[in-house]
Amino acid sequence: GQQLNQSPQSMFIQEGEDVSMNCTSSSIFNTWLWYKQDPGEGPVLLIALYKAGELTSNGRLTAQFGITRKDSFLNISASIPSDVGIYFCAGQRLGAQKLVFGQGTRLTINP
Amino acid sequence: GAVVSQHPSRVICKSGTSVKIECRSLDFQATTMFWYRQFPKQSLMLMATSNEGSKATYEQGVEKDKFLINHASLTLSTLTVTSAHPEDSSFYICSAKTAGQTDFYGYTFGSGTRLTVV
Repeated sequence: GQQLNQSPQSMFIQEGEDVSMNCTSSSIFNTWLWYKQDPGEGPVLLIALYKAGELTSNGRLTAQFGITRKDSFLNISASIPSDVGIYFCAGQRLGAQKLVFGQGTRLTINP
Repeated sequence: GAVVSQHPSRVICKSGTSVKIECRSLDFQATTMFWYRQFPKQSLMLMATSNEGSKATYEQGVEKDKFLINHASLTLSTLTVTSAHPEDSSFYICSAKTAGQTDFYGYTFGSGTRLTVV
């Protein structure tokens, strides 16, 4: 099935560094979502974006819904060890129930 | 908040047998359930969408006779992998929502089931 283009695929950073990842699509999405998945667990929603241009924060996390509706980014500031995991973007088209997921960004933090 | 309970968390079965995975919404009515499959180091791929009381809608390439989905009540959906083979080994995850729900903070995922077919 179609996926969103998520980058980077993996990141290796030092604790305390900021992180940025993004998702792009060739088509428009009405809603953009960012999830975190820990090993052996289901995804947990971090941030939901409902309007083009929307900028939303959740603690150290900030995400934006691109103006074109074809992209979104997630920033994590001052990373800590518990930020380790896989981050997925997901989009939902207008009138659709299902979500389309990006390929994921695997975040590794060196202490 | 909304909680979705998925069982079992891990299952090992012999090739040729069938395995049933349950997904329950604990504190809300799950009018729609989604079943995903995730291979190691890959993304979630939607297998099917099921609305309570209706037949599931399968994504292209997913065999409906192999992956049987039952959503007979507003709190329970099951995925049965029939005649399992080693290539069916994967991480299966359910997700649930209530009719008319547009807030994704209530669009909850289960904790997943690791299926290993030997």
